[in-house]
Amino acid sequence: KAGVTQTPRYLIKTRGQQVTLSCSPISGHRSVSWYQQTPGQGLQFLFEYFSETQRNKGNFPGRFSGRQFSNSRSEMNVSTLELGDSALYLCASSSDMNTEAFFGQGTRLTVV
Amino acid sequence: KNEVEQSPQNLTAQEGEFITINCSYSVGISALHWLQQHPGGGIVSLFMLSSGKKKHGRLIATINIQEKHSSLHITASHPRDSAVYICAVPTGNQFYFGTGTSLTVIP
Repeated sequence: KAGVTQTPRYLIKTRGQQVTLSCSPISGHRSVSWYQQTPGQGLQFLFEYFSETQRNKGNFPGRFSGRQFSNSRSEMNVSTLELGDSALYLCASSSDMNTEAFFGQGTRLTVV
Repeated sequence: KNEVEQSPQNLTAQEGEFITINCSYSVGISALHWLQQHPGGGIVSLFMLSSGKKKHGRLIATINIQEKHSSLHITASHPRDSAVYICAVPTGNQFYFGTGTSLTVIP
């Protein structure tokens, strides 16, 4: 079956802009979680969605938001981009959190 | 203290050497994942373990649930194994990640 698909793979934005990233989970998976990876902080949890509901949120400012659609595809949005938002954004999909998870390739965002 | 601790942080090995990377965690889990990240960023899930041992090619992963410890072994290491290896523990509605082990295998 197809893996987890994240689009776009690479993105360059300027400070102050907003960005939307997409994650298409494996068919049948209802849980999608998002993570930010920066060189100084490693992988940090952003939020998790299950059946269109956000179940858990990490310690990120309100500029970071997300949603999940009825087909389980998820988007995350970052508004008013800052240089420090430059990172790899990774999503993971699973049927539920404590089952086998599959990771996307990530979207590398560069803010200039 | 981090919920997931990995060691070593950096590892350099000669081609052909046997490599071990360790992961200890403090959060309660039902499974643990080992991930591989090559330069350029893409992450690949190598294993999901809930007990015992799994083997895939030259990679072997073991887990001891009682001791909250997992190891990733690479036999007959090769330069193409050079990557960052990350353990990830699902708990609640999120993963906790180790800081990663950067492996360099020299020809």
